[in-house]
Formats: sequence, structure tokens, C-alpha cells
Amino acid sequence: DAGITQSPRHKVTETGTPVTLRCHQTENHRYMYWYRQDPGHGLRLIHYSYGVKDTDKGEVSDGYSVSRSKTEDFLLTLESATSSQTSVYFCAISESRRAESYEQYFGPGTRLTVT
Amino acid sequence: GDSVTQMEGPVTLSEEAFLTINCTYTATGYPSLFWYVQYPGEGLQLLLKATKADDKGSNKGFEATYRKETTSFHLEKGSVQVSDSAVYFCALSGDYRGSQGNLIFGKGTKLSVKP
Repeated sequence: DAGITQSPRHKVTETGTPVTLRCHQTENHRYMYWYRQDPGHGLRLIHYSYGVKDTDKGEVSDGYSVSRSKTEDFLLTLESATSSQTSVYFCAISESRRAESYEQYFGPGTRLTVT
Repeated sequence: GDSVTQMEGPVTLSEEAFLTINCTYTATGYPSLFWYVQYPGEGLQLLLKATKADDKGSNKGFEATYRKETTSFHLEKGSVQVSDSAVYFCALSGDYRGSQGNLIFGKGTKLSVKP
């Protein structure tokens, strides 16, 4: 198994509070991704990173920010959580983005409930 | 934009039955295609992939062939087991600048296999 951990694994928070989710990898992979998984939507990309301090937006980035100050850590922040952000959040990593060698490895997920 | 459509579930089969999960895609150029599997309470795992037309991906008895003429990548297994019960996701990665490496997922198909 790829060395990816996510913390916390479960969190309940109130509307309007800030929340930070952490993804930590031990594989030294360059690329990291944050997805959310919702019933009827599959997984949707929130943000991704292609190196330390280099990030870009995905399909559903509104209301989220990210930071990557070290290769191994990728943080996802909800500045002011809303009920629509209740979801399961997955982190993923990849060594390459070239098709012939491409694979994303996923973490175990964080279940976030915003009340 | 690029998109993936897969058959809606849930799919319920008896052990040793034949499995087909349909997946079609819309994409610019020549995307790479993937099947991921998610077991209960876990993150996603890559099951198989194909990076060019007519490629066949295979793993653990599952197969899928990249059909450009029908823009399809259907997942098949000749004899399912109870342990195959999971949610299966079809995904693509675009081949144009800026899209490479970002996965676009279908909504997922839940498979339940009964003894």
C-alpha cells in the first residue's frame, strides 16, 4: 500500500467554523490531489499540487483553499464550513502525470459532517 | 468538457455469474482510461488501465478494452466472487495540456455478489 495518511478520519463541525484536513505521504511523489465524494456524483477534483507551493484549482474549488509547504504534506482548508461541504474527502498522490506511467494512489478518506 | 458515463447500480449478481459494467466517455483527443475499485470503508484502488485505442487492461480476472470507435471501456469478469462486492468507478485522464493527470470519474456502480 502507498504510504498515504489522512487526518482526522472523522470530523463533525458547525457551520461557519474553519476546518483543515491534512494529507501526509511517505512516497516522495510530486503530485497530490484533493477530491470529494458525494452520492450520485462520484469523485470530483477540488485542488491539486504539482510541487511545493505550486497548486491549481480543480472542478469544485469554490470555498476551499490548499497549501503545500513540504513535499509530504498537502492541506485542505474550508475557511467557513457550510452544510454543502458535508462529504467524504480523499487525498491522492501520483509520481507522474504521463499516461504510460500514470497511476493515482488514494488515502483512506476523511468523513466531514457540517451541522 | 470531458465526461464519463457509467451504468447506474446497484448491480446484484450470484457468485460465479458474468459481470459487465458499461462505461462510455466524451473527451477531446486520446484520453487514458481507468477502472478503480472502492471496497467498503476504504479509498480507491486502481484496478486496470488502458492508455491507447484497442489496448486491453486486465487484473484479478477483470478486463476492459479501450474502444475508440464506440468511446467505451466496459468492465467485464467471467465469474464474480463475493469478495468482488464493491463500488467500481470508470475514469479518464485527458491528453491535452493542463488536463493530463487530472482524473474525471463516473458516478460509480455498486456491485453486490450473493453466495
